[in-house]
Amino acid sequence: GAVVSQHPSWVICKSGTSVKIECRSLDFQATTMFWYRQFPKQSLMLMATSNEGSKATYEQGVEKDKFLINHASLTLSTLTVTSAHPEDSSFYICSARRADLGGDTQYFGPGTRLTVL
Amino acid sequence: EDQVTQSPEALRLQEGESSSLNCSYTVSGLRGLFWYRQDPGKGPEFLFTLYSAGEEKEKERLKATLTKKESFLHITAPKPEDSATYLCAVCSSNTGKLIFGQGTTLQVKP
Repeated sequence: GAVVSQHPSWVICKSGTSVKIECRSLDFQATTMFWYRQFPKQSLMLMATSNEGSKATYEQGVEKDKFLINHASLTLSTLTVTSAHPEDSSFYICSARRADLGGDTQYFGPGTRLTVL
Repeated sequence: EDQVTQSPEALRLQEGESSSLNCSYTVSGLRGLFWYRQDPGKGPEFLFTLYSAGEEKEKERLKATLTKKESFLHITAPKPEDSATYLCAVCSSNTGKLIFGQGTTLQVKP
């Protein structure tokens, strides 16, 4: 077990539009979910941490009004990129920590490739 | 400052040629060290969690070890399907967040 899904797997949108990315833990409940961004040939950069039912905690330099995170249940978190611009084009990856096992192991989704034209 | 450094940056092996990847870390209170495998265009796939010095874990051709300053990922008799980027991360007791290294890109040629 410990499967995390993301939808969509890729999206192309016009500049100025908003895009929503869903992250689901399929076979476990997640106390905490994380959103990362990855640029080509670089490692993962944490954007924000979200706990079910509470506001997300954003990393320094990440605009919370631009990257809206909602963690509505123990199996679903969403990231909305508002008024997307070409510089927001990137690979977005979510991860989740299991509620039943404790510990700090994060299980990652397959990622969403966002291209803003 | 919490930091993770992986070496080498890239590694090319012939099929069957065993080797090791290194992950050096400095962290204020280690809550865990993690190894992931990442294929191009995919999210990281969990491999191992290590918690204390001296701990070892194995999975197929992979074996991860941990000391107080570094971790090694040993690959025994690799196959072309082991080609991927291997990421090391530590969890700091201060922040509870994962701090990733830059990764080692492994290419195994048949």
